[in-house]
Amino acid sequence: DADVTQTPRNRITKTGKRIMLECSQTKGHDRMYWYRQDPGLGLRLIYYSFDVKDINKGEISDGYSVSRQAQAKFSLSLESAIPNQTALYFCATSDPIAGVRDTQYFGPGTRLTVL
Amino acid sequence: QKEVEQNSGPLSVPEGAIASLNCTYSDRVSQSFFWYRQYSGKSPELIMSIYSNGDKEDGRFTAQLNKASQYVSLLIRDSQPSDSATYLCAVNARGNNRLAFGKGNQVVVIP
Repeated sequence: DADVTQTPRNRITKTGKRIMLECSQTKGHDRMYWYRQDPGLGLRLIYYSFDVKDINKGEISDGYSVSRQAQAKFSLSLESAIPNQTALYFCATSDPIAGVRDTQYFGPGTRLTVL
Repeated sequence: QKEVEQNSGPLSVPEGAIASLNCTYSDRVSQSFFWYRQYSGKSPELIMSIYSNGDKEDGRFTAQLNKASQYVSLLIRDSQPSDSATYLCAVNARGNNRLAFGKGNQVVVIP
């Protein structure tokens, strides 16, 4: 079984709809992240969380919100989807005990299309 | 100045040759450096991490770090068609709680 899972894997939705992307992990890591990837723009950080009570904005948080329901679960919501949120979304985890050696492990991704 | 830059365009190498990728970073206090491989439509996969100046070898991969010049490179020896992918450079600064990624370099290994 994969250590980091994301659901759904693919989603097509319409402008204005609310969408939730879910991430679960069995790695026991406290830190979790949400990224989006667009062609030519690389990976950009949306939100990150270091524990259940800690939520931080990344570089492109506008239009997104997150919820850390448990150590193992971190959800990303698009309150009112717009076409320029069409992208590949990745969840990642890391181990804080490693300190600066903060290797991140990625889920398989969710391909979201907003029409 | 971007945090992490990978400026080279797509790199085509013949099978068996050495592929060389470079990455520069702007934060002088950066402490941790990573290379991820990403196949089209798939998630990034860690292939190398390096924390000290010098070379680190793992199989056919060698990462090289030069903190004074603020660059990190990746060499792929005996390139195989399965190495055809995009390679992402990532840097984690001391006291900074996130990774900054470069845009990636596409490598195409020609049989």
